[in-house]
This record gives sequence, C-alpha cells and structure tokens, in this order.
Amino acid sequence: LAKTTQPISMDSYEGQEVNITCSHNNIATNDYITWYQQFPSQGPRFIIQGYKTKVTNEVASLFIPADRKSSTLSLPRVSLSDTAVYYCLVGEGYGNKLVFGAGTILRVKS
Amino acid sequence: DAGVIQSPRHEVTEMGQEVTLRCKPISGHNSLFWYRQTMMRGLELLIYFNNNVPIDDSGMPEDRFSAKMPNASFSTLKIQPSEPRDSAVYFCASSMIEGTEAFFGQGTRLTVV
Repeated sequence: LAKTTQPISMDSYEGQEVNITCSHNNIATNDYITWYQQFPSQGPRFIIQGYKTKVTNEVASLFIPADRKSSTLSLPRVSLSDTAVYYCLVGEGYGNKLVFGAGTILRVKS
Repeated sequence: DAGVIQSPRHEVTEMGQEVTLRCKPISGHNSLFWYRQTMMRGLELLIYFNNNVPIDDSGMPEDRFSAKMPNASFSTLKIQPSEPRDSAVYFCASSMIEGTEAFFGQGTRLTVV
C-alpha cells in the first residue's frame, strides 16, 4: 500500500477556502485516492474519491496532478462545523483494505 | 437503512474478562472492516472480510483477539482475556466490494479496568 503524508494540523477561519495536500509518492497504477472526515466521537465519513484530474461533489473538490504523486482536498468556504480530522487514503479502493494514516486536524475559527 | 449498527455503545469490563463486540453491516454490503482507535495509535485496521471470508487479519494485535462473520448480516470481535491496553474505541465499517465508500458505525467505547 502506498504511504501517505499529510500535515498534522491546519488552522483556518470561517468563510475561507481550505486546501489540504496529501503526498503519495508510491501510488500504484490501480490506486484511487480517497478522503474521509472524522468528527469527535464518530466514525469516519467518506468525502470524495478520485483517480486523476479533478473531482467535485457537493462537499469538496479533489485535485490530482498528472503524476498522481500528490492530491489536494479543497473545502470551499469552511464553517465551524468543518472542524474535524481529514484522512487521505490510497489504495485500490474496491474490496480492499482501507488503511488510515494520522490524518490532518483542521481547526476552523470564528 | 439504519446504517452500520454496533453494540454495545459502551463497555466497561475488568481485566481478564471476555469482551464481545457486535456489528451489523448495511444490507447488501459485502465487505466488513474492524478498526481500533486510540489517541496514541490512531485508527488501526484490525481485520477485514469480503463475502464473510477473512481476507486480511494482519492487524489483529495478538491471539487474544478474534473476529468472526458467520453470515452477511453479523460480525463479532472478541477479546479474551481483555487487558487495560485494549481500552479504545472500536469501529466497524461496511462497503460494497464494487463501491467507492465505506460506512462506519458509531463505535464501541471499551474500557478495561
């Protein structure tokens, strides 16, 4: 499994756009990139998944450069309720083990 | 669907006792995962099943831990005997093998005293 590296923590203010970058230099051809969000006392929740270029849903955007060795989760106009831990996962995704790293603690301030 | 259901939500037990955690995955999901989360070690994958068959149990810490999935709608994680260092939140998650996301339960907070 490809190892992922994310910043330990980030601070932001309400209304700002937040970009969290994940490095995965050893990503394999069949690997997808998936992001999860976890609030205190809850299980992680799927945010977005992508393979290359850009993916957007109602919650976030995921930017993946051509070499796929990194990815950036973009959260538009964050609010206090976006304070959580964000995990980047890399793997085949379908039916395979989901291994979580340390994640990035995002703190949104008013 | 009610989502992934775990029981109990909280468990306090004495060292040396047997503990059984239960999980009901989402109907139609054919992959099931057990995780343990602590402040020190983060979210650790213990074991996962595909179609009720254990695929990878390399994360199970030691022989005191065992997991079963007798059918598609039920799984257990057993710790025998329990030790204080097993205190953690244990999550169960399920997904479709062909799907893109895993759904997590609310977790079981285990305290071994």
